[in-house]
Amino acid sequence: EDQVTQSPEALRLQEGESSSLNCSYTVSGLRGLFWYRQDPGKGPEFLFTLYSAGEEKEKERLKATLTKKESFLHITAPKPEDSATYLCAVQAGGSGTYKYIFGTGTRLKVLA
Amino acid sequence: DTEVTQTPKHLVMGMTNKKSLKCEQHMGHRAMYWYKQKAKKPPELMFVYSYEKLSINESVPSRFSPECPNSSLLNLHLHALQPEDSALYLCASSQDLGRPITQYFGPGTRLTVL
Repeated sequence: EDQVTQSPEALRLQEGESSSLNCSYTVSGLRGLFWYRQDPGKGPEFLFTLYSAGEEKEKERLKATLTKKESFLHITAPKPEDSATYLCAVQAGGSGTYKYIFGTGTRLKVLA
Repeated sequence: DTEVTQTPKHLVMGMTNKKSLKCEQHMGHRAMYWYKQKAKKPPELMFVYSYEKLSINESVPSRFSPECPNSSLLNLHLHALQPEDSALYLCASSQDLGRPITQYFGPGTRLTVL
């Protein structure tokens, strides 16, 4: 069965304390892995798309990496404004099928 | 411009009311989605439209009725809802369904059913 698991569920960091969020997946036919940031009561904001193992993407203090089994979202020297829920989603399946599976998210709190 | 807009931002309705949620995008995307999200849970897919045709209905109760009047607009008509339908309703769009799908989400409509 296709599955996407994020860990940890919640994470508290001091400002400047770097860390990583994990998204593990078991799917057939990975077509893409996506990271989103969601603030309370708002829609998810797109961050990154990763297509194949070994790929990396960066944006400001965030860096996303992908292996054949998992993705990491590295946060370097986080600031309080980075506090949010980070969601990963995996698209799987062949042409003509639609399978888009969200993980349950990691709630990040960065303390000043 | 990667903006998806949704109206209203908040909606309170009784169980006998009929209301509609609206979503609009001007990115030329040909796939549009409705999601339902409960607190501290990931978004749950409800419907997918591709080229203005309903492609996916995730066994959603008939009290939710989607409509895609044109390629830029998506509506969700609500009728005889239950209190458990209270949630954040999210609209999203993507270029199409035929490639890795980066979805762009709107800000959501916070729905409360009394």
